[in-house]
Amino acid sequence: AQKVTQAQTEISVVEKEDVTLDCVYETRDTTYYLFWYKQPPSGELVFLIRRNSFDEQNEISGRYSWNFQKSTSSFNFTITASQVVDSAVYFCALIIVGREIIFGKGTRLHILP
Amino acid sequence: DGGITQSPKYLFRKEGQNVTLSCEQNLNHDAMYWYRQDPGQGLRLIYYSQIVNDFQKGDIAEGYSVSREKKESFPLTVTSAQKNPTAFYLCATATGFPNEKLFFGSGTQLSVL
Repeated sequence: AQKVTQAQTEISVVEKEDVTLDCVYETRDTTYYLFWYKQPPSGELVFLIRRNSFDEQNEISGRYSWNFQKSTSSFNFTITASQVVDSAVYFCALIIVGREIIFGKGTRLHILP
Repeated sequence: DGGITQSPKYLFRKEGQNVTLSCEQNLNHDAMYWYRQDPGQGLRLIYYSQIVNDFQKGDIAEGYSVSREKKESFPLTVTSAQKNPTAFYLCATATGFPNEKLFFGSGTQLSVL
């Protein structure tokens, strides 16, 4: 069975601190995609990154970075020098090719000024 | 502009009433999804459709119905059988094979009067 676990329900950090959001997934399929989405208070989900199962290269985009490790089935997301605007709920998702999409329960991130 | 349009943004339902949430897309995507989000909770899949005139139940389909008569439209009906309909409903589409990116609408907040 496919599953995505975001063990951190809620995290609070002070502005400018670094923070890592964890995502652990389970699947027996060899071809799949992993995503991170941000949900600000407005409600709409904003796409952050996609990674396919054959590409374990880590990625950095500005203050955001992602660490994909198939050996531990993890796809963690780090925000460096956090800002108040980063406050949101963040979802990790797993897509099995041609089938449904499984979301984690989300991590609510509070960046305190 | 290309995108997904959900309407209405806010909807109120009376006891015993069926209500329909609209989701329209002009992205020419085959796959469409309906998710329910409860306060502080993650996204739960209600129904999804990979192609016109075909759809599958998700994890929480009871009390809901859908149709997919046109590629552009995937309306969700919340029936009177759904005893706890108050939630935020998100519609999403995915690009064709292999469903490599999800796009989300802005959501509909449904409340019971």
